[in-house]
Amino acid sequence: AQRVTQPEKLLSVFKGAPVELKCNYSYSGSPELFWYVQYSRQRLQLLLRHISRESIKGFTADLNKGETSFHLKKPFAQEEDSAMYYCALGAGMNTGFQKLVFGTGTRLLVSP
Amino acid sequence: NAGVTQTPKFRVLKTGQSMTLLCAQDMNHEYMYWYRQDPGMGLRLIHYSVGEGTTAKGEVPDGYNVSRLKKQNFLLGLESAAPSQTSVYFCASTQSYNSPLHFGNGTRLTVT
Repeated sequence: AQRVTQPEKLLSVFKGAPVELKCNYSYSGSPELFWYVQYSRQRLQLLLRHISRESIKGFTADLNKGETSFHLKKPFAQEEDSAMYYCALGAGMNTGFQKLVFGTGTRLLVSP
Repeated sequence: NAGVTQTPKFRVLKTGQSMTLLCAQDMNHEYMYWYRQDPGMGLRLIHYSVGEGTTAKGEVPDGYNVSRLKKQNFLLGLESAAPSQTSVYFCASTQSYNSPLHFGNGTRLTVT
């Protein structure tokens, strides 16, 4: 069965500090991994996906198949990064549809 | 271009009442999904659709029914609401299996 684990419910840091939001997954197939973000009073939106290998708003995430992890990192946190972050695993690719399995989310709070 | 629109935004039901949540998308997307978001549990897939006239069960389908009579609309029905269905419901759509999901703003449902 597919599973996504985000061990931290809340991560609180000061502005300018490095941030790492942890995500571990369990999946027997080839994983498709995403980070979604929900800012206050906004809809859930895609932050980045592992196949793009890009940096969005200073965030990066590297897929580590050996450790089955997809941690989200940013070297210098900003107050506007405060939000709820969800790691998600794309399952069911072989059947031609995308069915995401979400983690429980980590709330990032960046204080001035 | 409104994206994904959910109605209503809020609703309070009494146990045993019924209601329908409407999701509409104007992006001509094939795939549509209904998720529920509960504290500490992340987003869980209720039902999904891979095209007009098709629906399938997700992770937590019990107590819900869906219909996709038109490509742009995906309806979620509660025939006899229960307090356990108190949640925030999110609709999402995507064009293809490897494209990001587009989410609606959510519907906050309380069942007393």
